[in-house]
Amino acid sequence: SQTIHQWPATLVQPVGSPLSLECTVEGTSNPNLYWYRQAAGRGLQLLFYSVGIGQISSEVPQNLSASRPQDRQFILSSKKLLLSDSGFYLCATTGTARSNTEAFFGQGTRLTVV
Amino acid sequence: GDSVTQMEGPVTLSEEAFLTINCTYTATGYPSLFWYVQYPGEGLQLLLKATKADDKGSNKGFEATYRKETTSFHLEKGSVQVSDSAVYFCALSSYNTDKLIFGTGTRLQVFP
Repeated sequence: SQTIHQWPATLVQPVGSPLSLECTVEGTSNPNLYWYRQAAGRGLQLLFYSVGIGQISSEVPQNLSASRPQDRQFILSSKKLLLSDSGFYLCATTGTARSNTEAFFGQGTRLTVV
Repeated sequence: GDSVTQMEGPVTLSEEAFLTINCTYTATGYPSLFWYVQYPGEGLQLLLKATKADDKGSNKGFEATYRKETTSFHLEKGSVQVSDSAVYFCALSSYNTDKLIFGTGTRLQVFP
């Protein structure tokens, strides 16, 4: 079965600093990959998703970007963090690209921008 | 674009009460529909799913029917337990883009 590794678990960063969150998947190839932000009262907000290497779809214009340099690696980045970037970030996969399969989630990263 | 709307919570019920959490969707084509659950202190896990119109997903006493005519996928359970207290998320996966979209979540609190 597939496994998602996401790190770090918690992160405290000053405003204006860069960000790099990494997510890797095991147990599958050519997976669909997703980045979400979970905030109280707003549920799971889809930020980016990718159906293949170098293919990134952005859902919400903001201070973040995503990249997929390898088949099973998905990176969330920012050049300069804002206070509003604080939140709980989740990486997810539905395995080999299929639209009707279960999504598996990483453990999440709690980001606090100070 | 595709979207999911679910009822706001919290939903507060006594044990053995009937549960309904409403979910409606907007999508092009024929999405797959899901309910995920997040128990306190845990990650999201799939509760049930339906991949085509009139399909009924069921698990752990929960049920939801894919209604294309009303674009709905309401979650129901005949008799809730305290252990069902959690946040429930409705979600859809677009057939042609594989985009996976979640609703805002509904917190369910069940009291003995």
